[in-house]
Parts: sequence; structure tokens; C-alpha cells
Amino acid sequence: DTEVTQTPKHLVMGMTNKKSLKCEQHMGHRAMYWYKQKAKKPPELMFVYSYEKLSINESVPSRFSPECPNSSLLNLHLHALQPEDSALYLCASSQVVGRADTDTQYFGPGTRLTVL
Amino acid sequence: KNQVEQSPQSLIILEGKNCTLQCNYTVSPFSNLRWYKQDTGRGPVSLTIMTFSENTKSNGRYTATLDADTKQSSLHITASQLSDSASYICVVSSASGGSYIPTFGRGTSLIVHP
Repeated sequence: DTEVTQTPKHLVMGMTNKKSLKCEQHMGHRAMYWYKQKAKKPPELMFVYSYEKLSINESVPSRFSPECPNSSLLNLHLHALQPEDSALYLCASSQVVGRADTDTQYFGPGTRLTVL
Repeated sequence: KNQVEQSPQSLIILEGKNCTLQCNYTVSPFSNLRWYKQDTGRGPVSLTIMTFSENTKSNGRYTATLDADTKQSSLHITASQLSDSASYICVVSSASGGSYIPTFGRGTSLIVHP
């Protein structure tokens, strides 16, 4: 199984709503990532979890709150978002640093988020 | 600051033709270089991965090269197909704190016309 799944595929929310994005992988990867991607731009790294601990937070606003409840799951909790937060949110996973020739980040299909 | 530059920004070719995409990087310490294909609205899919000691790697009609001395990579697509229309992203990673930290290029948008 080399698949990363993300739910929901699409999400529309108001600025006062609270919602969560979910990501799941069963490849035994111990590093998981959240990215934000705007149209025609490369993905921007938001958070990195390594062994279920937050290791990198790329100065993301507190209205985005990540959570890694176990080694297979990664959540992104959303609260009081702004319209400019509308984007494709990608989850990825990889082996924790080991053999560089086998590492790759496996991406999920993304959640298309629209904030009204 | 780690950077990855890709060229051209966009490319239009006819079906059946070959093309080459370029990637220059200044990432340190270098761990690996990957090429991804991303269809619009979908997650990126890995095409190739190369480490410092590798010069070339193929995946079907895709062939990637790496020159670690000049810090350049290329992705050659042979006999292009309509389904090759996508964004091709070069990603160079550093190993840090138990995870691979990627630096993304802005991508080359490839359009294949019949």
C-alpha cells in the first residue's frame, strides 16, 4: 500500500466555522507533512511531524492547528480562517531520515478548501 | 537560503516530440533530488529520485540526470503523450531533525498538443 488518503476532497466553510482535514497512511512512515498550495504555485510547507512530534512549524498562523494522534494519522484543525486561506491542502508522508536513495515523499490527492 | 530554479516556466510541444526540463539548485546539505508530476488539482506523484552519487535515472519515458558538481538536473521526456500535460516540479531535500525537508521549484507547466 503506497497510498496517502485525505478527507474530505472538497470543503467549503465560513470564516466562523471550525473544521478538520484528515490524512492517513499505512506505509509505516514516521514523518508526515502538511502543505498549502495556491493555484499555479509550488506547495508551501506548513508543518512536519517526526515520530508523532511536531518538528517544524513554518510560522503558520494559529488558526491552523495540526495534530498527529498516532503514526498513521495526521489532522489539520481549522478555525476562523480567512478567504485568502482558500487553497489545495496536501498531506505527505516519508520515511524518517535513513537511506536517501529510497526516500520519497508520498502525497495525498489533497483537500480543496474554499473559505467564504 | 536554499533555492530551486526551474526552466522553462512553461512549454508547449506536439505529441510525439521530446523535451527537456531544467532544474538548478542551491540546497545544502544535499540529500536527494526528485522530479514530480502534478496534474491540476491533484497531489504530486514522484517520477524519479536521485542521490549525490547518481548521474541518471529512468522511469519509462522519463529520464532524469544529475550533475552534483554544477548543481543541475534535467528531466527528459521521450515521445510525449497528451497525458504528459502537467506541471513538473523539481524538489531538492535536506535531511534535518529526523525528516527530509524539501525545497520546491516553481515547476514547469508542460502542454502537449495533438
